[in-house]
Amino acid sequence: QKEVEQNSGPLSVPEGAIASLNCTYSDRGSQSFFWYRQYSGKSPELIMFIYSNGDKEDGRFTAQLNKASQYVSLLIRDSQPSDSATYLCAVKVSGTYKYIFGTGTRLKVLA
Amino acid sequence: KAGVTQTPRYLIKTRGQQVTLSCSPISGHRSVSWYQQTPGQGLQFLFEYFSETQRNKGNFPGRFSGRQFSNSRSEMNVSTLELGDSALYLCASSFGASGGSSTDTQYFGPGTRLTVL
Repeated sequence: QKEVEQNSGPLSVPEGAIASLNCTYSDRGSQSFFWYRQYSGKSPELIMFIYSNGDKEDGRFTAQLNKASQYVSLLIRDSQPSDSATYLCAVKVSGTYKYIFGTGTRLKVLA
Repeated sequence: KAGVTQTPRYLIKTRGQQVTLSCSPISGHRSVSWYQQTPGQGLQFLFEYFSETQRNKGNFPGRFSGRQFSNSRSEMNVSTLELGDSALYLCASSFGASGGSSTDTQYFGPGTRLTVL
């Protein structure tokens, strides 16, 4: 059974701080990794995708991938109250067209 | 470019009825995946279609079925509804590539909120 694990939180950080969200996965052959943000009552919204080991930056967001250790993380710099949401990590299962989602980490940015 | 659209947005049904949900992908996307999201189970994969063919299926009973049309629009059907089928049903579209590139990135529609009474 392929799995994706996330700490459910809530993770509370003060406004302006860096929020660090982590995700581990069990399928060693996975090549594609995604972070989505989901506000309460809304559908998931893509934040970033990453395929290569290392860091990928997009504005205030940085995704980090370490395939050897089978983890992917998301850093949010200068966190804002509007970043308060659930963050979902998703992994595409190798050799399939199936995506496995973690249960999400709830982030609360305190003003 | 228009995003993924889903209809209807809300549905209320009673046990034993059946329901059909519709999803129109982003223009140019040929892959459509369906998910069920509940507070207890999170996002669970139902099935994925590409060029009218189901390529992958999740662990759901046969009451859940789907299809895809030649224009890539997709429908999912749930027969003999149960109370536990109450959930947010999401569809996501992508170009449907094999992996390791931006073309396998999925984009979600707004979802259909199904309530079974």
